[in-house]
Amino acid sequence: ILNVEQSPQSLHVQEGDSTNFTCSFPSSNFYALHWYRWETAKSPEALFVMTLNGDEKKKGRISATLNTKEGYSYLYIKGSQPEDSATYLCASPWGNMLTFGGGTRLMVKP
Amino acid sequence: DTGVSQNPRHKITKRGQNVTFRCDPISEHNRLYWYRQTLGQGPEFLTYFQNEAQLEKSRLLSDRFSAERPKGSFSTLEIQRTEQGDSAMYLCASSLVGTSNYGYTFGSGTRLTVV
Repeated sequence: ILNVEQSPQSLHVQEGDSTNFTCSFPSSNFYALHWYRWETAKSPEALFVMTLNGDEKKKGRISATLNTKEGYSYLYIKGSQPEDSATYLCASPWGNMLTFGGGTRLMVKP
Repeated sequence: DTGVSQNPRHKITKRGQNVTFRCDPISEHNRLYWYRQTLGQGPEFLTYFQNEAQLEKSRLLSDRFSAERPKGSFSTLEIQRTEQGDSAMYLCASSLVGTSNYGYTFGSGTRLTVV
C-alpha cells in the first residue's frame, strides 16, 4: 500500500498571504501525482496531474512543483483569497486506483 | 453532460438498516470508483469498475458492502446492517482508461449518518 502524507493538516492564513503545503510520497516506482481542491459541499476538483521530475504547473494564483527523486510535491497559493478556503488533497496512483493523503485544510480569513 | 451525479446528498439511517447510494458517472467514462472519507482523513479506496466488471475491492469493503454497475452505466453501493462506523462521506468518481493524466471527475458525495 502506498503511503501518501500531507502537511500541515490545517492552516489558517489572512487574506493576501501567500502559503504553501507539502505532499510526500514514496519515490520508488513513481508514476504520477495528482492535486485536488475540495470545497465544502462541492465535488473534489482536479487541479494538476504531474508526472515529470522538476515539473512545475500553474493555474491562476496556484502553482505546484514536483520532485520525484526525493518524493515530494509543494502546492503554492499566492495572495490567498477567502474563496481559496478548501481542503487540498494530493494523491498518487497505486495499481488502478489513487491513494490519497489526509489533506490540508486551508482557511483564509478576510 | 453535467458531470458525476450522486444521490442522495445526505442519508440518515438507524443502525441495522440497509442503505443504497447511486452514482451516475460521465457517460463516456468507462471506469467508476467508490471512495469513503471520514473526518480528518483523505478519501480511502473501496472498489472500482471498468465497464460493468468490478475489478478490485479494498479489504476495507466488508461483506456488508456490495457494489454493482449494471450495463456499465450508473453504479449502486449498498450497505447492509449499517453500523455507526459506517458514518462517512461516500464519494464516486469516474475516468476514461488512458486519460488518468487528466485526473478523476468526482461527484459531490453522499454523506451517511448512522444513528
